[in-house]
Amino acid sequence: AQKVTQAQTEISVVEKEDVTLDCVYETRDTTYYLFWYKQPPSGELVFLIRRNSFDEQNEISGRYSWNFQKSTSSFNFTITASQVVDSAVYFCALRIRGDSSYKLIFGSGTRLLVRP
Amino acid sequence: DAGVIQSPRHEVTEMGQEVTLRCKPISGHNSLFWYRQTMMRGLELLIYFNNNVPIDDSGMPEDRFSAKMPNASFSTLKIQPSEPRDSAVYFCASSQGSAGNTIYFGEGSWLTVV
Repeated sequence: AQKVTQAQTEISVVEKEDVTLDCVYETRDTTYYLFWYKQPPSGELVFLIRRNSFDEQNEISGRYSWNFQKSTSSFNFTITASQVVDSAVYFCALRIRGDSSYKLIFGSGTRLLVRP
Repeated sequence: DAGVIQSPRHEVTEMGQEVTLRCKPISGHNSLFWYRQTMMRGLELLIYFNNNVPIDDSGMPEDRFSAKMPNASFSTLKIQPSEPRDSAVYFCASSQGSAGNTIYFGEGSWLTVV
């Protein structure tokens, strides 16, 4: 069975701190895709990044970086020098190529509060 | 480019009434998804369409829920009759066909059934 676990329910940091959001996934498929989405207080789901199972190269985009490690089945997300606008719920998700519905399997989300 | 467009953004209705949620996917996307978000169950897939055909409706909670996609640019999710436990945020999302493509979400329809 496929599963995504985000063990951190809520994280609170002070502005300018670095913060890492953890994501652990389970699948027996060899081809899969991992995603991060942001849900700000306004409620929409905003796509942040997609990574396929054959590409373990880490990625950096501005203050955001992602660390993908197949050995530990983890796809962690780090925000450097956090800002108040980063306050949101962040979801990690898994999509399996062998799943005919192509659905995203979401973790339960991590609520990040960045205090000024 | 326009994203996934949903309407209404907010709906408050009385128990027993019919509710229809609407979605326009991103042009060129041939996969459409309806998701529901609740505090208890998180984000869960209700139904998936590919090329306007329902492929997986195993997440539709019960017969009160129905979804249609009459053409590539429009889909509806209907609840009849609505119940208070249907209160949730309903997201429509779309993507191009393969699993490796990103699923883009609309802003959601916030439904409250009183």
